[in-house]
Amino acid sequence: DIQMTQSPSSLSASVGDRVTITCRASQTISSYLNWYQQKPGKAPKLLIYAASSLQSGVPSRFSGSGSGTDFTLTISSLQPEDFATYYCQQNYSTPRTFGQGTKVESK
Amino acid sequence: QVQLVQSGAEVKKPGASVKVSCKASGYTFTTYAITWVRQAPGQGLEYMGWINPYNGNTNYAQRLQGRVTMTTDTTTTTAYMEMGSLRSDDTAVYFCAATQRGTYYHWGQGTLLTVSS
Repeated sequence: DIQMTQSPSSLSASVGDRVTITCRASQTISSYLNWYQQKPGKAPKLLIYAASSLQSGVPSRFSGSGSGTDFTLTISSLQPEDFATYYCQQNYSTPRTFGQGTKVESK
Repeated sequence: QVQLVQSGAEVKKPGASVKVSCKASGYTFTTYAITWVRQAPGQGLEYMGWINPYNGNTNYAQRLQGRVTMTTDTTTTTAYMEMGSLRSDDTAVYFCAATQRGTYYHWGQGTLLTVSS
């Protein structure tokens, strides 16, 4: 199975901050990498697919980059509704493994 | 719009079985696979497996092989996930998702399963 490792596990930030979350795969996955946002008590929501493509309806302050084994999710200017947990997920092979999550909290 | 509506919360005893449903609407049912993911309390997301409603093909996570069965009913556009020999560590929220090529585009609201004696 491909292991996905996110860092940091949590971070504290303020509204307006630039936030960066990284995700590393245990083997190369090309650009088969997605990012999701999950708020407490809710289902995850797709933000970014194929490493850098913005899902329809997702604000442009979210962006993704990377290929191979190293990937990044960036929120250019953190908004109040962005405090949540973020997961990366590889769809290169089954099982479709997720990272352990990064919780973005208010400073 | 695409909607996935799951069945309600369940409480089961260890050793019992559970069957969770996921009713799809707003799209042609056979154009997305249905993937099941679970989330234990305070934990991350765990892939369980998927089913292709078009041909019934399935793929199950190895650690759940033999305990989980995924099915679909194309006449009612409903997917089902059945799991047996329940243990306390199966306590989790179970999500269905409409997926294509392993990307989870749409999600159900989740079903809480509690396994307790």
